[in-house]
Amino acid sequence: DAGITQSPRHKVTETGTPVTLRCHQTENHRYMYWYRQDPGHGLRLIHYSYGVKDTDKGEVSDGYSVSRSKTEDFLLTLESATSSQTSVYFCAISGLDEQFFGPGTRLTVL
Amino acid sequence: AQSVTQPDIHITVSEGASLELRCNYSYGATPYLFWYVQSPGQGLQLLLKYFSGDTLVQGIKGFEAEFKRSQSSFNLRKPSVHWSDAAEYFCAVGSNNNDMRFGAGTRLTVKP
Repeated sequence: DAGITQSPRHKVTETGTPVTLRCHQTENHRYMYWYRQDPGHGLRLIHYSYGVKDTDKGEVSDGYSVSRSKTEDFLLTLESATSSQTSVYFCAISGLDEQFFGPGTRLTVL
Repeated sequence: AQSVTQPDIHITVSEGASLELRCNYSYGATPYLFWYVQSPGQGLQLLLKYFSGDTLVQGIKGFEAEFKRSQSSFNLRKPSVHWSDAAEYFCAVGSNNNDMRFGAGTRLTVKP
């Protein structure tokens, strides 16, 4: 299995609070991604990174920011969480010809 | 813009029966096509992928998929389903493996 970990694995928070999710890889891959998974929508790309300090928006980036200060870590931040951001969040890294996914973080915003 | 449609939200098959999961895509050029499987509470695992060449692609766990350009389809098949195949299946399309769009998924239930 590709070395991808996500933390925390579960989180419950309240509306309006900031939340940061962490993705850590041990594969030294250049590309990293954050997706959210919601019933009926599959996976939708939030943000991605193509190198240290190089990031770009995906199709559902509103309300999210990311940072990548090291190759191995990609952080997703919800500046002020809303109930619509309750979801399962997956980090992925891009290998030679496929993406490898982390185990996911289940976030509940009350 | 690229997009993927999985017409079947939920499919139930009996163990030992054959399986076909449908995937239709919209893409302007030759696409990269993928099928992933997700077991409950787990991340996604790649079953197979198509980039070019032979349009019938073999994957892991006995799955195969056929790329049909004329129908814009990439359907997943398995001749004999096992109870352990119960999961959610996602089709994805992209210009490469760095730019992918996923379908909404098909949940497979396997009856004993």
